[in-house]
This record gives sequence, structure tokens and C-alpha cells, in this order.
Amino acid sequence: GEDVEQSLFLSVREGDSSVINCTYTDSSSTYLYWYKQEPGAGLQLLTYIFSNMDMKQDQRLTVLLNKKDKHLSLRIADTQTGDSAIYFCAESIRSSASKIIFGSGTRLSIRP
Amino acid sequence: DADVTQTPRNRITKTGKRIMLECSQTKGHDRMYWYRQDPGLGLRLIYYSFDVKDINKGEISDGYSVSRQAQAKFSLSLESAIPNQTALYFCATSGPTYEQYFGPGTRLTVT
Repeated sequence: GEDVEQSLFLSVREGDSSVINCTYTDSSSTYLYWYKQEPGAGLQLLTYIFSNMDMKQDQRLTVLLNKKDKHLSLRIADTQTGDSAIYFCAESIRSSASKIIFGSGTRLSIRP
Repeated sequence: DADVTQTPRNRITKTGKRIMLECSQTKGHDRMYWYRQDPGLGLRLIYYSFDVKDINKGEISDGYSVSRQAQAKFSLSLESAIPNQTALYFCATSGPTYEQYFGPGTRLTVT
């Protein structure tokens, strides 16, 4: 079946790097996404990666994709208090372009 | 101005009442979606629409209905609200790589 899993919580010291991990089960995914949700707001697309790529970098964000292990990660460099949020991993399924499967979200908290 | 707007932002209603949540988008996308979010469960798809004449059920459509009034408008109805429909509801559109653009959400409480 299709499933996307993430750990529920991550605590990081301000200024350190955060690494949020995600695993998925469907090998036919076309795109994988990272979204950020701040309190009281909708999900905001941070970045996405096409399934034939291994890495994508965008300023402080680095996405790594290991297709063999079906593992996706989001690294946030120099984590700031404004990065506190819930981060969702998601994948689109090749066989059903309408279907986006979301993980349950990882809550990132920043400690001073 | 926001690309995807939802009204109302908050709503409290009683069991058995009919309620409609509305969504409008200015992104010009054909694809629109309704999700609900419950704590610890991520997002679950209720309905989606690829264009005005194409509406499809998602994984949790029971108890809900939708209407696609125009390319820019997609509304969600609860015909007879029940307490376990208390949740945060999000409308979204999707672009060419299926990336989703979300509205700010409607917090619905059914008492």
C-alpha cells in the first residue's frame, strides 16, 4: 500500500542543522515534496524534487532522495526560531496523478 | 492577496446541521482539492476535481459532498454534521508538477 512515514518530533538547538527524515513505500512516485505548516496556517510548499534526482539545494534547504531505500530527507542549515513548525513530507503517485500522500508531519522545535 | 482563500475561517455548528465551506483560487489552476487534518493523522483527501465537469471521491468522502461552481470555486458541504467531523479543513489547488497550494484552513467544530 501507499504510506509515508515521519517521526513526530525533532528538537534542535538554534544555529545547528536540522535533518527531518521521511520514508515512503510507493516506488512509482513521481515527485516528492516538503511542506511547512506554522500555527494557525495552511501548508506552505517549501521545495520538491523529481524522482530521478538525488539532491536539490535551495538556500538553507537541502533535499536528499535515496530511491533504493525510499528515503527522503530535508536538511535546514543554521536553524532559526522562525523554522519552528510542522514539516510534512508528501509524494505524488505515478499511477494516479491526483493522489498526493502526506506523512503525519514532524514538529520541529528550536531550543536556545 | 492570497492565492487560495477559504470562508469561513472558523465555524461552530450543531450536530445535524448542514454546513458549506467555500474555497476560491486566483492561480488559474484546474485541479482543486479538499482535505481534512486531524492531530497526528496528517492530511486526508476528501474530494478532488480536475476541472469543472470532473469530480472524484477521495479516501474519506462519506458524509461530504462538493460542488465545482467555476474553475476558481470549489465548495465542500456537510449535509448533516456529526461531532467526528470536527477538524481543520483545507482547500488546495495544484500546479503542473502536482505541487499543492493550500488555503489558510477552516476550523470546524461540531457540538
